[in-house]
Amino acid sequence: GQNIDQPTEMTATEGAIVQINCTYQTSGFNGLFWYQQHAGEAPTFLSYNVLDGLEEKGRFSSFLSRSKGYSYLLLKELQMKDSASYLCAVRDRTGGFKTIFGAGTRLFVKA
Amino acid sequence: EAGVTQFPSHSVIEKGQTVTLRCDPISGHDNLYWYRRVMGKEIKFLLHFVKESKQDESGMPNNRFLAERTGGTYSTLKVQPAELEDSGVYFCASSQTASGELFFGEGSRLTVL
Repeated sequence: GQNIDQPTEMTATEGAIVQINCTYQTSGFNGLFWYQQHAGEAPTFLSYNVLDGLEEKGRFSSFLSRSKGYSYLLLKELQMKDSASYLCAVRDRTGGFKTIFGAGTRLFVKA
Repeated sequence: EAGVTQFPSHSVIEKGQTVTLRCDPISGHDNLYWYRRVMGKEIKFLLHFVKESKQDESGMPNNRFLAERTGGTYSTLKVQPAELEDSGVYFCASSQTASGELFFGEGSRLTVL
C-alpha cells in the first residue's frame, strides 16, 4: 500500500526560510510532487522530483532521497502570500500511474 | 487556454438524493482523474480515465458512485443515492500524459444533509 506523512501545521516568519518534510512508502514509486493549495482554491503544481537530489525553482526548492523515502520542500524569503497548504504527492505506477496525496501541511506566515 | 472546470461549485442535497458532478478537462488532455477530500483528511484518489476508458477505478468507494467519460472529453461523477459520508470536495484533474503534472479544477463541494 501507500503511506505519506507530513507535518499538519507549521508557522514561520516573513522573510525567513522554512522546510516542510515528507516521508513516504510506496511499492511502485514513479516520482514525487509538491502542490500548493490556498484555501478554497485548486491545488497548483510546484515541483517534481524523480531522481535523488535538489531541484530549484526560484524561491522554492525540493529535495528527494529515494532510498530513505524522504523529500522536503524548501521555501526561501517567505512572503505572506505563501500561507497555504503544501501537499506532498507520490506517483505510483502500480495499476497505471495514479498520484497519491498526503494530508498536507498548513503553513502560516506571520509578519 | 481554459483550465479544468467543474460544475457545480457547491451542491447541497438530502440523503438519498442523486447528484451529478461534471468536469471539463483541459482540451487535449487524455488523462482525467477524480479525487475527493473529506474534511481534515487527505485528497484521496477515486479513479483515472485515459480518454474514455477507465484505467484505474480502485479508489471508488462503492457502487453508489458511477463515473463516465463518453467520447473522451468531459466526465461526470454521479452519486446515487447519496449518504452523509459522501460530503466533501470532489476534485477533478487532468494531465497531458500519465506521467505529467496534474492540473486541478477548483472542486465541487458536496454537502449531504
